[in-house]
Amino acid sequence: DQQVKQNSPSLSVQEGRISILNCDYTNSMFDYFLWYKKYPAEGPTFLISISSIKDKNEDGRFTVFLNKSAKHLSLHIVPSQPGDSAVYFCAARILNTNAGKSTFGDGTTLTVKP
Amino acid sequence: EAGVAQSPRYKIIEKRQSVAFWCNPISGHATLYWYQQILGQGPKLLIQFQNNGVVDDSQLPKDRFSAERLKGVDSTLKIQPAKLEDSAVYLCASSLDMTGEKLFFGSGTQLSVL
Repeated sequence: DQQVKQNSPSLSVQEGRISILNCDYTNSMFDYFLWYKKYPAEGPTFLISISSIKDKNEDGRFTVFLNKSAKHLSLHIVPSQPGDSAVYFCAARILNTNAGKSTFGDGTTLTVKP
Repeated sequence: EAGVAQSPRYKIIEKRQSVAFWCNPISGHATLYWYQQILGQGPKLLIQFQNNGVVDDSQLPKDRFSAERLKGVDSTLKIQPAKLEDSAVYLCASSLDMTGEKLFFGSGTQLSVL
């Protein structure tokens, strides 16, 4: 039973346009959500996060939106740049239990075309 | 600040052979994780240590996988004997402690079992 799902394996956008990556979760106990970015032959790196007490968190070109009732979050990248081309993983955790364990989705490969 | 160090970067073995991976987390990070990432999937937690104690090894195939973190710093993950389905990238990650919100990943070890 996959608790975190990224239903789009890939996404292609033009440079300068908006990229929207989606993530759904099933466990209502999750209270903290993170996005990681992964380049080939490197480990994932943290990008942005959001607590369940918020519905939006912004960091420069990156914004994460959380809809708790729909158990859905999305990552918006505006404007998209060729260097944003990577695999993006959504992750969820229960902050004060599960000993900090993060559950990951299968990732979405973003390609930004010049 | 040095990141999470892993070695080797690549390993090719035949099925039924044994293999070991090494990880040195960020200095001062008490929590260490080993994740398995199969191609096309997200990272899946194998084992989590807090200092030199195991917090969660519920997803570790204990008949063939073992891990230790004897002095609470670096860690070794071993597979013996390896199966074809063990072909994956093995990622080590660390966080300041179990309440640490984000993980810091190493570059991973890519294992091919032939």
